[in-house]
Amino acid sequence: AQSVTQLGSHVSVSEGALVLLRCNYSSSVPPYLFWYVQYPNQGLQLLLKYTTGATLVKGINGFEAEFKKSETSFHLTKPSAHMSDAAEYFCAVSEGFTGGGNKLTFGTGTQLKVEL
Amino acid sequence: SAVISQKPSRDICQRGTSLTIQCQVDSQVTMMFWYRQQPGQSLTLIATANQGSEATYESGFVIDKFPISRPNLTFSTLTVSNMSPEDSSIYLCSAASATPAEAFFGQGTRLTVV
Repeated sequence: AQSVTQLGSHVSVSEGALVLLRCNYSSSVPPYLFWYVQYPNQGLQLLLKYTTGATLVKGINGFEAEFKKSETSFHLTKPSAHMSDAAEYFCAVSEGFTGGGNKLTFGTGTQLKVEL
Repeated sequence: SAVISQKPSRDICQRGTSLTIQCQVDSQVTMMFWYRQQPGQSLTLIATANQGSEATYESGFVIDKFPISRPNLTFSTLTVSNMSPEDSSIYLCSAASATPAEAFFGQGTRLTVV
């Protein structure tokens, strides 16, 4: 079984400040990890993903995340927040195509607010 | 990547009625899924839509309430049957190809049951 915990349902940062959204996972097999963003009244857009290889992955819009197996974490960061980053962010885990058929288990989401 | 179109984008329905949501993918995909996002909550997987066979439902979801069809590799429907206000949610279609670990999502269908 797999699960995802996102610490902090709401995070508020100032424009230009560091963004850090936390995600911890549980998986019985080597996980595939994802971050999605959801803007109001829209579907989900993939920000980045980790499958294998380099543990630091870079995504769109300046976001990146680091897979830390020892900490079972996959925290999302961005060096400098922009007003347009305000949205809801979901961390998700999959056991991969052969394991879970790419079924995703989502965290509860973190609403990011960016203030002037 | 895959582009997913969902119809309708939103609807307001009377309790006791049914609504069928359509999902069209612009390329052949191996896996298709239906998720529910209840107000203020995360996404929960309803079922995996299997081509030419019965869908595989997750715990807590049953075929009588959420019948699903997938007649080919690019199209699926989800019906929400005998609706009640508790069914008011966003329903999202997702697709994944044989290339591991890439799931795409439609824009979702925002359903309100009154």
